[in-house]
Amino acid sequence: DADVTQTPRNRITKTGKRIMLECSQTKGHDRMYWYRQDPGLGLRLIYYSFDVKDINKGEISDGYSVSRQAQAKFSLSLESAIPNQTALYFCATSAKPTGLQYFGPGTRLLVL
Amino acid sequence: QQQVKQSPQSLIVQKGGISIINCAYENTAFDYFPWYQQFPGKGPALLIAIRPDVSEKKEGRFTISFNKSAKQFSLHIMDSQPGDSATYFCAASIQGGKLIFGQGTELSVKP
Repeated sequence: DADVTQTPRNRITKTGKRIMLECSQTKGHDRMYWYRQDPGLGLRLIYYSFDVKDINKGEISDGYSVSRQAQAKFSLSLESAIPNQTALYFCATSAKPTGLQYFGPGTRLLVL
Repeated sequence: QQQVKQSPQSLIVQKGGISIINCAYENTAFDYFPWYQQFPGKGPALLIAIRPDVSEKKEGRFTISFNKSAKQFSLHIMDSQPGDSATYFCAASIQGGKLIFGQGTELSVKP
């Protein structure tokens, strides 16, 4: 969905490096999410935010941190990347009352 | 309790056939059950969704069947086409918006 953008689309980094993945949306939604996708495991929730002042851990938050800079921006950081963080990362947004989530195109991350 | 179990992991169907993907859950607090379709290199896209007070929902060739007592729901794709080849994820929503996803089913429709 072009209304949800993610940068970068691809990233190769080395173990121990700090990296940031960024998500922006023009849908006007108040809720934003970060997921990671691994083969055979589906999508797993890392962090979510229901508004600018609300940040919550998801299923697999260890090793990750987030920042909600504005209603439209939600970034995910890996403070010290490790190889098992190699995955596809997706940002999503939703709005009350439906809760329907709209996904960005994803960032493919490789940690060497 | 928070899990959603999806099967099969992969599915091959002939063009014109019916594709069926099943999901099961445990948590009765789930209040919304969407299905997402994902093509290679793309993010998941909402396909169809159902609430637990409805037993069936149909949109075009896609139908969700929901069995509340069995805690199961399924996606049926009628008249499957090669363009339907994608990965399909079931999900369950809780707490006003968190989604718990199934493991995904890779569907291949052969011409």
